Amino acid sequence: DSGVTQTPKHLITATGQRVTLRCSPRSGDLSVYWYQQSLDQGLQFLIQYYNGEERAKGNILERFSAQQFPDLHSELNLSSLELGDSALYFCASSAGGGGNTDTQYFGPGTRLTVL
Amino acid sequence: QKEVEQDPGPLSVPEGAIVSLNCTYSNSAFQYFMWYRQYSRKGPELLMYTYSSGNKEDGRFTAQVDKSSKYISLFIRDSQPSDSATYLCAMRTRTGGYQKVTFGIGTKLQVIP
Repeated sequence: DSGVTQTPKHLITATGQRVTLRCSPRSGDLSVYWYQQSLDQGLQFLIQYYNGEERAKGNILERFSAQQFPDLHSELNLSSLELGDSALYFCASSAGGGGNTDTQYFGPGTRLTVL
Repeated sequence: QKEVEQDPGPLSVPEGAIVSLNCTYSNSAFQYFMWYRQYSRKGPELLMYTYSSGNKEDGRFTAQVDKSSKYISLFIRDSQPSDSATYLCAMRTRTGGYQKVTFGIGTKLQVIP
């Protein structure tokens, strides 16, 4: 168990809908990262927050947004969902802001199915 | 062309075999190299981390980096059925002061008893 928790485990919704995924980092970790994993694309970095502020942005669509709250938990909001958004969404956390020895610990993921 | 190339497999080996998993990369700015193991329906977990060319050993696992060839490998000795998982290589660089981690697609390994 990495200490990173994600809810819900599974989510089934329809195209055009909006969903929110939640992540609680390991105790003491300040950074939260969001990743999308699909069979054909592998693990794709979406966005990183460090102590409440956006730190780095990857391949995140404009329909997606995230935030990190004062208690350091994070939410990933996905809107106007499309079939292609079906994937596993992972949250990871690390102690620092993403330095060279800053290890990321991954949560168990949320499986999103868009019908 | 992807920055990190990894054969998705699947790779099936008998128990006790030596397993070789590989990745190639094109971005010379990658400085740090990692291997993650991901069991089915779980998140990836860090196995090994190295930043220099050469070998790094940890128990039955050896990570090898050849920066001149842009090639990294993970060797698993005396493979066990519990090693059956997907192995992802990952590489880190600095972009504008922030880390950027790029993952390979993962190689699915099955160790047959």
